Amino acid sequence: EDKVVQSPLSLVVHEGDTVTLNCSYEVTNFRSLLWYKQEKKAPTFLFMLTSSGIEKKSGRLSSILDKKELFSILNITATQTGDSAVYLCAVYNNNDMRFGAGTRLTVKP
Amino acid sequence: DAGVIQSPRHEVTEMGQEVTLRCKPISGHNSLFWYRQTMMRGLELLIYFNNNVPIDDSGMPEDRFSAKMPNASFSTLKIQPSEPRDSAVYFCASSPLYLAGVPDTQYFGPGTRLTVL
Repeated sequence: EDKVVQSPLSLVVHEGDTVTLNCSYEVTNFRSLLWYKQEKKAPTFLFMLTSSGIEKKSGRLSSILDKKELFSILNITATQTGDSAVYLCAVYNNNDMRFGAGTRLTVKP
Repeated sequence: DAGVIQSPRHEVTEMGQEVTLRCKPISGHNSLFWYRQTMMRGLELLIYFNNNVPIDDSGMPEDRFSAKMPNASFSTLKIQPSEPRDSAVYFCASSPLYLAGVPDTQYFGPGTRLTVL
């Protein structure tokens, strides 16, 4: 059965810390892996990864995919209170998209 | 662009009633997705359209759910008859089509919070 597992489920850090969020997957016909940030409302897109070893970067956020070991990480450096959210990982195969349960990140001042 | 537009934003109905949720994707986007989010099950993909054609509806819970996309600028998700367990936030998202057929960046609408009493 296809599955997407995120860890940790929750994380509390202080401003300025660096965090690494993990997403491992087992899916057939993998096509892409996506990261989203969800605060109180709708998810917002962060990254889409299709190739191993190519880092995607946007400001303090970066992500990389390992298709051999079947996982991705999302790094956030110099965290800010505005980074507090649930971070969702999703894997797309030929016809379906499966989400992980999310990692709830809390950044304290 | 106004982004993905969903209506209504909130819907409260009684069990057995028909519910219709509406979505207007971002102009020019080729793919449209309907999701459901609950505390228990998290975010789930219900159905996905590509160029107005349903690609996979295996995520649709049962026959009470149906979705249509009559044109590139409008989609509906209908629940008939509704049940209390259908209570959730329903998101619509649209995406430009990635060259290899993989949905690219998805832009989510604000969601419709459905409560079935």
